[in-house]
Amino acid sequence: GAGVSQSPRYKVAKRGQDVALRCDPISGHVSLFWYQQALGQGPEFLTYFQNEAQLDKSGLPSDRFFAERPEGSVSTLKIQRTQQEDSAVYLCASSPTPGVFTQYFGPGTRLTVT
Amino acid sequence: ILNVEQSPQSLHVQEGDSTNFTCSFPSSNFYALHWYRWETAKSPEALFVMTLNGDEKKKGRISATLNTKEGYSYLYIKGSQPEDSATYLCAKDGGSNYKLTFGKGTLLTVNP
Repeated sequence: GAGVSQSPRYKVAKRGQDVALRCDPISGHVSLFWYQQALGQGPEFLTYFQNEAQLDKSGLPSDRFFAERPEGSVSTLKIQRTQQEDSAVYLCASSPTPGVFTQYFGPGTRLTVT
Repeated sequence: ILNVEQSPQSLHVQEGDSTNFTCSFPSSNFYALHWYRWETAKSPEALFVMTLNGDEKKKGRISATLNTKEGYSYLYIKGSQPEDSATYLCAKDGGSNYKLTFGKGTLLTVNP
């Protein structure tokens, strides 16, 4: 079946612009996660949804970052007034239920802020 | 160990060689250890989820072991092939059931 998809795959934004990154999880997956991978680093947790509820947003680096999953399926990560330090690969993952299950990742969106 | 650490950062091997790399993590608050393989321009692919001390898992030519008391996991690849070239990431779940803390990865290049 289809895996996790993300769009766009690449995004170039000028500093100060707003961007929206989309994640389509595997159909029926309850849990959805966002991670940020800066150059030379491992992925870092941003936020976690269980259905439409955002249960943990402790990893969001600032109030310029906002994530939503209004109908419990597709999720959008929005970054307002982008800064150069926001340049990174943004990974989305989903898993069928909460608990110790594999997180299935999408290919990521590479954001470059110029 | 305060963070999840992986070594080496990178390595080059010849086709047919066997290789292994290490993931070290804080032994406190351990729930699970995940291994992923990430090829360039593709999605990270799950290899193993390990929860019990002494766990050993195998998938084809790849296997992994886990020591939760001392805080490390080894990933072994037997008879490396060029298609094994990828970044191998490990991640610890410290009890949240969802929040993974990743290492920086080991970049493996297998030369034909």
